[in-house]
Amino acid sequence: AQSVTQPDIHITVSEGASLELRCNYSYGATPYLFWYVQSPGQGLQLLLKYFSGDTLVQGIKGFEAEFKRSQSSFNLRKPSVHWSDAAEYFCAVGNNNAGNMLTFGGGTRLMVKP
Amino acid sequence: NAGVMQNPRHLVRRRGQEARLRCSPMKGHSHVYWYRQLPEEGLKFMVYLQKENIIDESGMPKERFSAEFPKEGPSILRIQQVVRGDSAAYFCASSYRDSSTDTQYFGPGTRLTVL
Repeated sequence: AQSVTQPDIHITVSEGASLELRCNYSYGATPYLFWYVQSPGQGLQLLLKYFSGDTLVQGIKGFEAEFKRSQSSFNLRKPSVHWSDAAEYFCAVGNNNAGNMLTFGGGTRLMVKP
Repeated sequence: NAGVMQNPRHLVRRRGQEARLRCSPMKGHSHVYWYRQLPEEGLKFMVYLQKENIIDESGMPKERFSAEFPKEGPSILRIQQVVRGDSAAYFCASSYRDSSTDTQYFGPGTRLTVL
């Protein structure tokens, strides 16, 4: 069965600092990987996704993520964090068989210090 | 183009009552997914529907929960005889195609509180 682990429940960074959020997955075949962001009381917004090809994926809001098959990881990065980036971030893996369900990690809550 | 719409945004029910959550997918989307987010947890898949068909309900509790996506109108997630443990945020997502590479777009969620 597929699973996603986000080891960091909370992360605090200073505004302007770089950010890396960790995501490890377990899946038998080539995974379809996603990062979503959830602001308080809101739904989820897709930041970026990886299906195949270039392992470095660019997303919205200046985010990028790198797929590393050898490490089963899909870490999210941003070179300079803005206060508006404070939110909860979810990594997810898609089921490329019938069903299309997404399996989510537990989330990482990002706080940004001024 | 309106996004995925869910209503109500907040729902309060007493134990034993019924809860009905509605989801209108994005225009042109005929695939709907329901997820549940318990407090301090990630989202868990519940059910995947196409128009008039349940495709995958492997994440649905066996009792009290049901879902439908009729030919006309929104998708409905129904919870009968709610209990306190049903308190959660319920999110609906929709996609255009039946493909794992197709992005799922999420609605704002319905936050259910059971007293």
